[in-house]
Amino acid sequence: DAGITQSPRHKVTETGTPVTLRCHQTENHRYMYWYRQDPGHGLRLIHYSYGVKDTDKGEVSDGYSVSRSKTEDFLLTLESATSSQTSVYFCAISEQVQETQYFGPGTRLLVL
Amino acid sequence: QKEVEQNSGPLSVPEGAIASLNCTYSDRGSQSFFWYRQYSGKSPELIMFIYSNGDKEDGRFTAQLNKASQYVSLLIRDSQPSDSATYLCAVRQAGTALIFGKGTTLSVSS
Repeated sequence: DAGITQSPRHKVTETGTPVTLRCHQTENHRYMYWYRQDPGHGLRLIHYSYGVKDTDKGEVSDGYSVSRSKTEDFLLTLESATSSQTSVYFCAISEQVQETQYFGPGTRLLVL
Repeated sequence: QKEVEQNSGPLSVPEGAIASLNCTYSDRGSQSFFWYRQYSGKSPELIMFIYSNGDKEDGRFTAQLNKASQYVSLLIRDSQPSDSATYLCAVRQAGTALIFGKGTTLSVSS
């Protein structure tokens, strides 16, 4: 998985609780991305980062925030989890924006 | 709405046959094109990318791009049961966004 880890790998939480997912890379790539994957929707971009403290919104950013305080770590926070945020979350990295994205192993999140 | 369309399948082929996976995209400004393979319960893994019109071959895989028709395809020669997976087409438009299709499920029977 190109030196990308995600934690936790599985999580069950309750509606209304905050949840933070972590993506850690050892490749020193500049760009990091958070996607969610749902049946019938494919992979959709939530947020991405183009450097430390530099982030921007993707297609489905509502209800999510991100932070990147170090090159190697990109955090995704669900401020108040809802059942509609039950999904599989993938982190991806790329060296430059126009280059290939490599994906982490994913986090399965269930919001009850 | 900029879209990437794939037939969801399943596409069923016998072992040893050629599997042909197709993808169309709506944004004429799209610059680069990627094919990922995703096994059930796993993360997407890159098969190949293509930037220019024409064919690009890598082993048993050939990507074909026709920008005039806004069409990209992936051919898998000598299909094996281990090729059974979902294949995701991804298109990069101007800027950062990589737009994914919903994927085509391929089943190769032995």
